[in-house]
Amino acid sequence: SQQGEEDPQALSIQEGENATMNCSYKTSINNLQWYRQNSGRGLVHLILIRSNEREKHSGRLRVTLDTSKKSSSLLITASRAADTASYFCATDAQGGSEKLVFGKGTKLTVNP
Amino acid sequence: EAQVTQNPRYLITVTGKKLTVTCSQNMNHEYMSWYRQDPGLGLRQIYYSMNVEVTDKGDVPEGYKVSRKEKRNFPLILESPSPNQTSLYFCASSLYGAGSGYTFGSGTRLTVV
Repeated sequence: SQQGEEDPQALSIQEGENATMNCSYKTSINNLQWYRQNSGRGLVHLILIRSNEREKHSGRLRVTLDTSKKSSSLLITASRAADTASYFCATDAQGGSEKLVFGKGTKLTVNP
Repeated sequence: EAQVTQNPRYLITVTGKKLTVTCSQNMNHEYMSWYRQDPGLGLRQIYYSMNVEVTDKGDVPEGYKVSRKEKRNFPLILESPSPNQTSLYFCASSLYGAGSGYTFGSGTRLTVV
């Protein structure tokens, strides 16, 4: 079952601009994670935000979480061509299940 | 280097011929998981394991088997592959499970003809 849904499906920006991706989910969660995937390669864990946190930063990444709206956003500031990748949110649903459910991803293209 | 190693990277096989995709991690992680990735469907969990000899079904377990006899290894077995199992497969491991981040392997692209 798909939990997270990213928006937009695709995003194209110029180097130096900020990129914002959104994720919505359906059920209560313990945490929400963001991953990056370069074309056809393995996913790389970027950042995790717990359900009792509202905002988290890591380098050029800023993640927000609004549990009342069941949504999260990932902001990449001052984007670089190397940020070109697909970005996925993943949720760890409450209830003790070990299932980590991924959305379908946002494909980000950063043009030099 | 801490990593999850999958083999093979690419595999073309015929319908019905049993195959195993191996997965090994060197981080002493308790949790391991298999996902398949398909266009338009995203990543879907096949099976996961919380420890040696402890495995459970994910969202799409039909047609797959797993085993966890040692902490470091979590092979994915397709007893009788079919064309609808053509996909990109990822193995992942985690120290604390879904409550923490997962480290992914580089993927196995499987084609069943």
